[in-house]
Amino acid sequence: DQQVKQNSPSLSVQEGRISILNCDYTNSMFDYFLWYKKYPAEGPTFLISISSIKDKNEDGRFTVFLNKSAKHLSLHIVPSQPGDSAVYFCAATNTGGFKTIFGAGTRLFVKA
Amino acid sequence: DADVTQTPRNRITKTGKRIMLECSQTKGHDRMYWYRQDPGLGLRLIYYSFDVKDINKGEISDGYSVSRQAQAKFSLSLESAIPNQTALYFCATSREGYTDTQYFGPGTRLTVL
Repeated sequence: DQQVKQNSPSLSVQEGRISILNCDYTNSMFDYFLWYKKYPAEGPTFLISISSIKDKNEDGRFTVFLNKSAKHLSLHIVPSQPGDSAVYFCAATNTGGFKTIFGAGTRLFVKA
Repeated sequence: DADVTQTPRNRITKTGKRIMLECSQTKGHDRMYWYRQDPGLGLRLIYYSFDVKDINKGEISDGYSVSRQAQAKFSLSLESAIPNQTALYFCATSREGYTDTQYFGPGTRLTVL
């Protein structure tokens, strides 16, 4: 039973346009969410996070939105660049919990 | 130099063989983790350790064991490898605190024939 779901295995976007990556979760106990980015032959690296007390967190071109009632979060990349082409993992954890649950990942292709 | 290193980077072995994957970190973190990545399944936690004396099973620990030799070293062993353990394995570290991000090694690609 996947508690964190990324239903789109891949996404293709034109350079300069917006990329929107989606993530759904089922466990209402999750209260902290993260996005990791992974290039081929490298380990995942932290990108951006959001606490459940917020509904938006922004860092440069990257913004994460959280809709707790829908148990949904999304990562927006504006403008998208070819160097953003990677696999993006959504992850969730909770206060007092010791495990981070990862989604299956979405592969983003940004075309020049 | 990389903060989290994994050896070997690639390994091909045969069914029934014992194999060890090693992880070292220079970040000074107490917490270390082992994950495996399979297509369509994301990263799944195998074992985690909060300090040298504290080791815990993750969601898919069957068929695996670990050893925390020091704060900086955390090894994963497959006692008798089987083909469905073919996967990409990642080691990670973090500071104390559930919101602290994890720092991952480059991964070990393991193939069990």
